[in-house]
Amino acid sequence: AQSVAQPEDQVNVAEGNPLTVKCTYSVSGNPYLFWYVQYPNRGLQFLLKYITGDNLVKGSYGFEAEFNKSQTSFHLKKPSALVSDSALYFCAVRGAHTGANNLFFGTGTRLTVIP
Amino acid sequence: ETGVTQTPRHLVMGMTNKKSLKCEQHLGHNAMYWYKQSAKKPLELMFVYSLEERVENNSVPSRFSPECPNSSHLFLHLHTLQPEDSALYLCASSQEGGGSGELFFGEGSRLTVL
Repeated sequence: AQSVAQPEDQVNVAEGNPLTVKCTYSVSGNPYLFWYVQYPNRGLQFLLKYITGDNLVKGSYGFEAEFNKSQTSFHLKKPSALVSDSALYFCAVRGAHTGANNLFFGTGTRLTVIP
Repeated sequence: ETGVTQTPRHLVMGMTNKKSLKCEQHLGHNAMYWYKQSAKKPLELMFVYSLEERVENNSVPSRFSPECPNSSHLFLHLHTLQPEDSALYLCASSQEGGGSGELFFGEGSRLTVL
């Protein structure tokens, strides 16, 4: 069965410090992995994805994520956090060659960047 | 700026009302979705229209009725809702049948049922 776990409901980080938002997954076969961000009273915005190739993928707003197959993880990272990065972050997974109705979202991690 | 537009952004309705949510995508995608987002719960996929087929979550009550007249427009018809149906309803689209099919979301329709 497919699933996504975001073990932290809340992550606090000081402005300028590196940030990590954790995600682990379970899927049959090769995964397609995604990160989305949601600002207050807005829809979800696509940040980045891993499909194949280089394990380190770069996305919007300076974010990057590292695919680790052995640990079944896809943690979101940024070298230097900004106050404007404060938002709700969602990890999602689907099996390669499955339909988007098989896309599973995590429960979200609220990131707060402290000035 | 989003390629998926949802209207209305906010809706308050009584339990006996009938209303509809509208979604339009300008991205040329061939799949559209309705998601429900409730506080402290995972995103819930309600309905998918993909490549002219409809897939639905069997746990969605019949008081929610989707309609997809073409690949660019999607509606969610609401009738005799319950207060627990109050949530943010998100529309999304994607290109299926090749590629990774990431979703592009609208800004959502915040529904309050009194």
